[in-house]
Amino acid sequence: GDSVTQMEGPVTLSEEAFLTINCTYTATGYPSLFWYVQYPGEGLQLLLKATKADDKGSNKGFEATYRKETTSFHLEKGSVQVSDSAVYFCALSDQGAAGNKLTFGGGTRVLVKP
Amino acid sequence: EPEVTQTPSHQVTQMGQEVILRCVPISNHLYFYWYRQILGQKVEFLVSFYNNEISEKSEIFDDQFSVERPDGSNFTLKIRSTKLEDSAMYFCASSGVTQRTSALHFGNGTRLTVT
Repeated sequence: GDSVTQMEGPVTLSEEAFLTINCTYTATGYPSLFWYVQYPGEGLQLLLKATKADDKGSNKGFEATYRKETTSFHLEKGSVQVSDSAVYFCALSDQGAAGNKLTFGGGTRVLVKP
Repeated sequence: EPEVTQTPSHQVTQMGQEVILRCVPISNHLYFYWYRQILGQKVEFLVSFYNNEISEKSEIFDDQFSVERPDGSNFTLKIRSTKLEDSAMYFCASSGVTQRTSALHFGNGTRLTVT
């Protein structure tokens, strides 16, 4: 079945550091790929997405490129802020008969220190 | 921006009791979902709902679980007889018309504690 593997955290960084969170996936078809973010005490928010190979999703300074050849969707940000402290989830959508069922990775907690 | 709302934010119940978790999806969305996240574990798919019926469910979604869209706005998850292992954060989500590219929009979750 479909699966998503992402690096375990926590990842601790200083403000303005470069962030990379690795994500690889296994899927039978051509899934769409997503990054969701969960800030403390809140729900899951869509951060960015990519729907086909070589697409780049971007939002709030974060980027991720859909790499079919390496089955990866790594998340990057060039200069993190304290407000980026959160748990980040990589996910893929199963092209099911109705709707987009998501398969999530285990989440990576990121802590940015001033 | 429209959002998915869930109530209550926290529910405490005794083992064996029935609970109903409530959700109001985004108004023009057609697909509805429940996910759960046991503390420290992955977010897991429970069920998807479309056109007034379940379209897919996971092995977690056994006979103790049911979903309903009782009117045009609410989407509920019922657990008939709660167990300790049902303690988790339950997330409702909805998505729009375009299946391929429509991302899921999540609510803030209901934390269910079974004692």
